[in-house]
Amino acid sequence: GAVVSQHPSWVICKSGTSVKIECRSLDFQATTMFWYRQFPKQSLMLMATSNEGSKATYEQGVEKDKFLINHASLTLSTLTVTSAHPEDSSFYICSARDLQGAQPQHFGDGTRLSIL
Amino acid sequence: SQQGEEDPQALSIQEGENATMNCSYKTSINNLQWYRQNSGRGLVHLILIRSNEREKHSGRLRVTLDTSKKSSSLLITASRAADTASYFCATDGKGGSEKLVFGKGTKLTVNP
Repeated sequence: GAVVSQHPSWVICKSGTSVKIECRSLDFQATTMFWYRQFPKQSLMLMATSNEGSKATYEQGVEKDKFLINHASLTLSTLTVTSAHPEDSSFYICSARDLQGAQPQHFGDGTRLSIL
Repeated sequence: SQQGEEDPQALSIQEGENATMNCSYKTSINNLQWYRQNSGRGLVHLILIRSNEREKHSGRLRVTLDTSKKSSSLLITASRAADTASYFCATDGKGGSEKLVFGKGTKLTVNP
């Protein structure tokens, strides 16, 4: 089945650091990838839709300058949390759809970000 | 705004029992999906049911969809300790929206 790899799985860093998270589709091409954020014991909230070769579409309330998204190829999207602060600590999950846009979306294993 | 609402929020049962989780949503959909999430992990797709379908089976899973009531249920039969996880429903919207909107999830604990 389709596999989405997310890296790193866990990162701890100091406040003020910028952190980059990668999302790769390993065995299929994805024109669209999605980035979600999940707080403990809560559901997934869509942050942005990442489109290959164009600007990402951010959900209301998500700061685009804070969460930089780059989708430079059909198999890779990156999310950079810039100047991270403790309130940015969360579980970030990406998902991807194949070129045909077929459901379901395939999810990565998530990245746990802890900002000290 | 969040669309799916699951109930119960938490469910604890004994191995071998059946587990039923419900999901309600607010707007028209193309399809509804159920996902499973083990603690600290990503989501695993379980089953997709289209808006013109009423019931779907996959192994020990049975999903129903009632579009008139805007609700769905997930039944896990003969539960196992390994079924312990959080279960989420997710809907997409009509009109070509490919964004998924997730419910709050049900945390299922299956006691051995």
